[in-house]
Amino acid sequence: GAVVSQHPSWVICKSGTSVKIECRSLDFQATTMFWYRQFPKQSLMLMATSNEGSKATYEQGVEKDKFLINHASLTLSTLTVTSAHPEDSSFYICSASTHLQTSGQETQYFGPGTRLLVL
Amino acid sequence: QKEVEQNSGPLSVPEGAIASLNCTYSDRGSQSFFWYRQYSGKSPELIMFIYSNGDKEDGRFTAQLNKASQYVSLLIRDSQPSDSATYLCAVNSDSNYQLIWGAGTKLIIKP
Repeated sequence: GAVVSQHPSWVICKSGTSVKIECRSLDFQATTMFWYRQFPKQSLMLMATSNEGSKATYEQGVEKDKFLINHASLTLSTLTVTSAHPEDSSFYICSASTHLQTSGQETQYFGPGTRLLVL
Repeated sequence: QKEVEQNSGPLSVPEGAIASLNCTYSDRGSQSFFWYRQYSGKSPELIMFIYSNGDKEDGRFTAQLNKASQYVSLLIRDSQPSDSATYLCAVNSDSNYQLIWGAGTKLIIKP
């Protein structure tokens, strides 16, 4: 259980184009979804927190007009990198949070990530 | 500022030995604690979570929590080369379910 998928796993695009990444919780409904970015040999960096049906909460320094998040349902969130530039090249990872009945606590499960290369 | 601290390593452990990974956190109100494993080029994978003081065992893994001292540790018994990865400690204390992440400890198991 607790499987999260991401699509696509790899994307290469030209500078100036927009890229959409999908994150789905396959076997559970996610209370909250999170979007992270990770540069090589660096720590995970939280970009935004997303709840179904409401606007995402962005971390300081993350441009909300550049990184558009749509959380259409309890199992799907999308991240659109608009007008991508080479400095946006990174590993984008989503996670979905669910309430474990066994412990009564929220737990995050990660998707496999999307590697974006902007030329 | 809520913080989670981990030794970045690398921590080198011979195969078959016990690997001990430590993590301290600053927010005394923290409620839940997680260990994730991240292989190079992959996303994090949840391996253990713990909410109560004491030990929690799952196979070769044991998580230990001491809220009074504000630390959480992960022990890996009978370490295998496949355990070589970066281990991330994460702590949750907010109602918005965000995790506060440590920078991770790189573990190398030497055959």
